[in-house]
Amino acid sequence: DAGVIQSPRHEVTEMGQEVTLRCKPISGHNSLFWYRQTMMRGLELLIYFNNNVPIDDSGMPEDRFSAKMPNASFSTLKIQPSEPRDSAVYFCASTLESTGGVAAFFGQGTRLTVV
Amino acid sequence: EDQVTQSPEALRLQEGESSSLNCSYTVSGLRGLFWYRQDPGKGPEFLFTLYSAGEEKEKERLKATLTKKESFLHITAPKPEDSATYLCAVQAVTGNQFYFGTGTSLTVIP
Repeated sequence: DAGVIQSPRHEVTEMGQEVTLRCKPISGHNSLFWYRQTMMRGLELLIYFNNNVPIDDSGMPEDRFSAKMPNASFSTLKIQPSEPRDSAVYFCASTLESTGGVAAFFGQGTRLTVV
Repeated sequence: EDQVTQSPEALRLQEGESSSLNCSYTVSGLRGLFWYRQDPGKGPEFLFTLYSAGEEKEKERLKATLTKKESFLHITAPKPEDSATYLCAVQAVTGNQFYFGTGTSLTVIP
């Protein structure tokens, strides 16, 4: 079974441009997470979906960031307008939510550079 | 507030020199504690899940243990291929979010 698939792997864009990151979770998983990773702050949770519904978006930095999950097999994270401080690696992860606690599985990430 | 602190930030070991990585956590009811390995340029790779104090899990040269306040990742006779960043995460019973520590960067020197 394919793991979590993210695209693109690398994105270089100019300040002020719109950026869209894409994620396909593992088939059958019902929870999806977007994380941002930087050297200074490590892995930060941006937003979490359960059954395609946003449950917790308290980690979204500001209104320039938005995320959607139109169906169980696809999610996007959009930044508009982008700024240099948004440069980071963005990860998508998915899991099957369970009362017992099941690990999240990560994609390979999108390295975003805003110049 | 749920919190995870990992130490040390970085660790250099000679090949064969055993050591332990620490993950201290504060969570309002633990649903699970998770260890991941991350190689440069890749996403975190799942290693272990621990659910309750006293539990242990092993995989090759790695053994993870859990108490009510912390978890240890013991590395026995490490090899250069064990060099990576090791991340710890917790999940609380009150939510499904995973909260990560900032990781320990392990370098094993031949």
